[in-house]
Amino acid sequence: ETGVTQTPRHLVMGMTNKKSLKCEQHLGHNAMYWYKQSAKKPLELMFVYSLEERVENNSVPSRFSPECPNSSHLFLHLHTLQPEDSALYLCASSQTPGAEQFFGPGTRLTVL
Amino acid sequence: GQNIDQPTEMTATEGAIVQINCTYQTSGFNGLFWYQQHAGEAPTFLSYNVLDGLEEKGRFSSFLSRSKGYSYLLLKELQMKDSASYLCAVYGSNDYKLSFGAGTTVTVRA
Repeated sequence: ETGVTQTPRHLVMGMTNKKSLKCEQHLGHNAMYWYKQSAKKPLELMFVYSLEERVENNSVPSRFSPECPNSSHLFLHLHTLQPEDSALYLCASSQTPGAEQFFGPGTRLTVL
Repeated sequence: GQNIDQPTEMTATEGAIVQINCTYQTSGFNGLFWYQQHAGEAPTFLSYNVLDGLEEKGRFSSFLSRSKGYSYLLLKELQMKDSASYLCAVYGSNDYKLSFGAGTTVTVRA
């Protein structure tokens, strides 16, 4: 238990669906992150929020839309995804940028 | 861009020692992390190096040479539960961006 929770743990969706991934951190951290993890590839940073402001968008397609309503919650809204978007989506948080990151268990996403 | 290299797979025997190497080429350097990730689980923090030298934490040690762009993670007295993927990650000049290697899958055999 790292203090970072993610729901759902598994998600199967069609290409025309709209769904959202949720992340919550109970550590009082100020920075939150979304990563994509595909088999045999490095973790890819998608988005970074610091003090609820987006500070990094790593050239992510617009079909992924992040939202950070407060410092404890982070969402990733998904729409019109492609099969190649199937992956493990990990959320992480850190006290400050540059500090150790604590990861959630991830959401295993399958796009049909 | 950032480039983090580590071996894909390693196999070792229970009770033995394994050393996982990581080389990096980054724009700037603000720290190197090692994470452990069991299949289907979250990566968990193992060690942090920002200055040259060896950091020891129980059965795990991590070494850094900034001039060589090189680190290693040393796992001693291997146990079956150490079978996992080990991720090397580096903060470059951008404090928001932690760049990861593809991970080294370690298999411990009885």
